[in-house]
Amino acid sequence: GDSVTQMEGPVTLSEEAFLTINCTYTATGYPSLFWYVQYPGEGLQLLLKATKADDKGSNKGFEATYRKETTSFHLEKGSVQVSDSAVYFCALSDRGSSNTGKLIFGQGTTLQVKP
Amino acid sequence: GAVVSQHPSWVICKSGTSVKIECRSLDFQATTMFWYRQFPKQSLMLMATSNEGSKATYEQGVEKDKFLINHASLTLSTLTVTSAHPEDSSFYICSAHQGYEQYFGPGTRLTVT
Repeated sequence: GDSVTQMEGPVTLSEEAFLTINCTYTATGYPSLFWYVQYPGEGLQLLLKATKADDKGSNKGFEATYRKETTSFHLEKGSVQVSDSAVYFCALSDRGSSNTGKLIFGQGTTLQVKP
Repeated sequence: GAVVSQHPSWVICKSGTSVKIECRSLDFQATTMFWYRQFPKQSLMLMATSNEGSKATYEQGVEKDKFLINHASLTLSTLTVTSAHPEDSSFYICSAHQGYEQYFGPGTRLTVT
């Protein structure tokens, strides 16, 4: 079945450092890919998305490019801030004929940014 | 747009009692909503898919008689945890499906004493 694998955390960075969180997926169809962020004690918020190969999603300085050839959707940010400390989830949604809307999540990666 | 609310945001109940959690899509209609459970420092586990006007579809291993789901309207789904036990303590999150996206509620923290 479809699955998402994220790099294990926690990831600890100093403020203004470059961030990469790796995400790879396996899917039989043509999934849409998402990054969600969860701040402490809160629900998930959509950070960015990409719906087809080579699409780049971006938001709040974060970027991720849908790479079909490497089945990856790595999250990057050039300069992290303390306020970016959160748990980041990579997810996919099957856009095939059985579009149930189900999301399959990776295990989440905790990011800690220190001043 | 695309706001999903949950009520209550947190609840404490005694073992053996039942608790109802509401999930509402505030500015759109959703024929499909999802219920997730999240344990501390872990990913979201899909519990069930809630379909308006029909029975919910439960994921393998989820007790449908314990976690009752009702999707009575296009903007409201409820999850009732029946005969709650301490092991049911968790963070419950709902989402509403629109197009190819899901919009998440803020979650409900359930503590069973």
